[in-house]
Amino acid sequence: GQQVMQIPQYQHVQEGEDFTTYCNSSTTLSNIQWYKQRPGGHPVFLIQLVKSGEVKKQKRLTFQFGEAKKNSSLHITATQTTDVGTYFCAGPLSSNSGYALNFGKGTSLLVTP
Amino acid sequence: DAGVTQSPTHLIKTRGQQVTLRCSPKSGHDTVSWYQQALGQGPQFIFQYYEEEERQRGNFPDRFSGHQFPNYSSELNVNALLLGDSALYLCASSAREGVPGELFFGEGSRLTVL
Repeated sequence: GQQVMQIPQYQHVQEGEDFTTYCNSSTTLSNIQWYKQRPGGHPVFLIQLVKSGEVKKQKRLTFQFGEAKKNSSLHITATQTTDVGTYFCAGPLSSNSGYALNFGKGTSLLVTP
Repeated sequence: DAGVTQSPTHLIKTRGQQVTLRCSPKSGHDTVSWYQQALGQGPQFIFQYYEEEERQRGNFPDRFSGHQFPNYSSELNVNALLLGDSALYLCASSAREGVPGELFFGEGSRLTVL
């Protein structure tokens, strides 16, 4: 079945440094979503990418969807302590799965001041 | 506007017992999905309910069952609990079945099986 892999598993940065997490799917995705989960919290939707090669920005966060729609990345510029958490990418479980998502294992980000 | 609410927040059961978890979706949402999140892992899709019917199911055994009520709230039942069922159970609601979009998650129910 479809697999979504994320790297790295963990990242520890100093506040102000940049951070990037990568997501790779074994199959072509119709769309990809990103979620953030703070320690002890629940996943919160960040963004959805749909188009091949799409790039979207949210303040210091930049999201990209690969040309082949099999990979994606999230880049955070000048990290802050509020960025701490685990970032998950998720693709549809199947071609007609609607809201049934297949999540990666996530990248846990630790930011030290 | 209340978001997704789940109960109970924490519970402890022993092997072989049965558990029922409850979820009320965000106002205006009619589709409820359940996910299991083991420690250090991403959420895994269990099943999805729309119009009181199970519409899609992930790779979980029949011990996991659910229900959706006319007011769109939902229950997740797990029978014959195993140690490996210990996890955070997340309910997520969305506005329309079949259209990719944002999932709104509840705070989750943390189940510990001893």
